Amino acid sequence: DTAVSQTPKYLVTQMGNDKSIKCEQNLGHDTMYWYKQDSKKFLKIMFSYNNKELIINETVPNRFSPKSPDKAHLNLHINSLELGDSAVYFCASSQGAQGVYEQYFGPGTRLTVT
Amino acid sequence: GQNIDQPTEMTATEGAIVQINCTYQTSGFNGLFWYQQHAGEAPTFLSYNVLDGLEEKGRFSSFLSRSKGYSYLLLKELQMKDSASYLCAVRSYNTDKLIFGTGTRLQVFP
Repeated sequence: DTAVSQTPKYLVTQMGNDKSIKCEQNLGHDTMYWYKQDSKKFLKIMFSYNNKELIINETVPNRFSPKSPDKAHLNLHINSLELGDSAVYFCASSQGAQGVYEQYFGPGTRLTVT
Repeated sequence: GQNIDQPTEMTATEGAIVQINCTYQTSGFNGLFWYQQHAGEAPTFLSYNVLDGLEEKGRFSSFLSRSKGYSYLLLKELQMKDSASYLCAVRSYNTDKLIFGTGTRLQVFP
């Protein structure tokens, strides 16, 4: 029944490790996003895919690599994790990339790098 | 670039009315969204404005003035469950990105 799901919900890891976060949406949406929300609750776009094509690529370290195997999935792989990567990462989806379409957010993945 | 300002925190009493303001600067304005985010949860969509005026949806209303770069979210008959952060987000034609403000944390007291 879940519209946008993410796994894992919590991720605790050490500096230098590589980790992945998975996202799936069952809404039939064309567009998916990754956001980062820092400790001050500021929500910032990282990437956006429309029909498996990258359309937004913010100024994010290239240690972060998104992958969209199909329209319903958008995964985020992070290499060489750093302390500053600790945050909540939200996946979202919308029917289209423009206009009135609201974004539906997943439950978030709380990443803690020690 | 884009700049969005909201008050950091607000408090109100159960049953009251509260207005949360948002001012923005952007080129190629293409819509303003309000989202609600309870602590530890995902943001959820509340409202969308692209034309000037008031959009009403139950206890929540949102107003937009494009010439002033200004919006507000009005919450009536406040309930305890309305305690949450309220995020203003603006989209521009140039980028299609949603740029979020830092959010307003509202605490409702009995």
